[in-house]
Amino acid sequence: AQSVAQPEDQVNVAEGNPLTVKCTYSVSGNPYLFWYVQYPNRGLQFLLKYITGDNLVKGSYGFEAEFNKSQTSFHLKKPSALVSDSALYFCAVRDIRMDSSYKLIFGSGTRLLVRP
Amino acid sequence: EAGVTQSPTHLIKTRGQQATLRCSPISGHTSVYWYQQALGLGLQFLLWYDEGEERNRGNFPPRFSGRQFPNYSSELNVNALELEDSALYLCASSRGLDTPQETQYFGPGTRLLVL
Repeated sequence: AQSVAQPEDQVNVAEGNPLTVKCTYSVSGNPYLFWYVQYPNRGLQFLLKYITGDNLVKGSYGFEAEFNKSQTSFHLKKPSALVSDSALYFCAVRDIRMDSSYKLIFGSGTRLLVRP
Repeated sequence: EAGVTQSPTHLIKTRGQQATLRCSPISGHTSVYWYQQALGLGLQFLLWYDEGEERNRGNFPPRFSGRQFPNYSSELNVNALELEDSALYLCASSRGLDTPQETQYFGPGTRLLVL
């Protein structure tokens, strides 16, 4: 079965320091991977996705993610964290089986707290 | 370009009542997805509509239903509400039918509280 794991419930980082939010996946076939961010009382905002090609994907707000096929990981990164990056981050994999509707399967979410 | 819109933002109902949630997709998008974000349960896929038809549904009871209108907007209906239906209901849209690389864009959600 397709699945996504976000092993950390919370990540704490100081403003200006690099941040990493971890995600591992399990799929049959090629993975289509996504990162979304959720601010309090808001919906999900799309950050970036990996479909094929370069393993380093650049997205919105200075975020990037590294796809690693051998480690089945898709970690979200940012070179210099901002306090305004504090939010809930979700990794998702697209289930591309023909009978699955291409629904997104989400990880449990990681709360990022950037302290001033 | 306007994003995905949802109404109402908040909805309070009592057990046994019915709730109707509405979603308008991004212009040009024909696929609408519904997800439930319940406390402690994460984000769960509910329903997928494309071109007016229900294409797939998640592991939810039949009292969760909906429809898609000719203008591609969608409605989610929840009958015989139970306390555990309290959640944030998120609608997403994408171009369809459908290629896996298409991004789903989410609306702000409707927070349903069942008392």
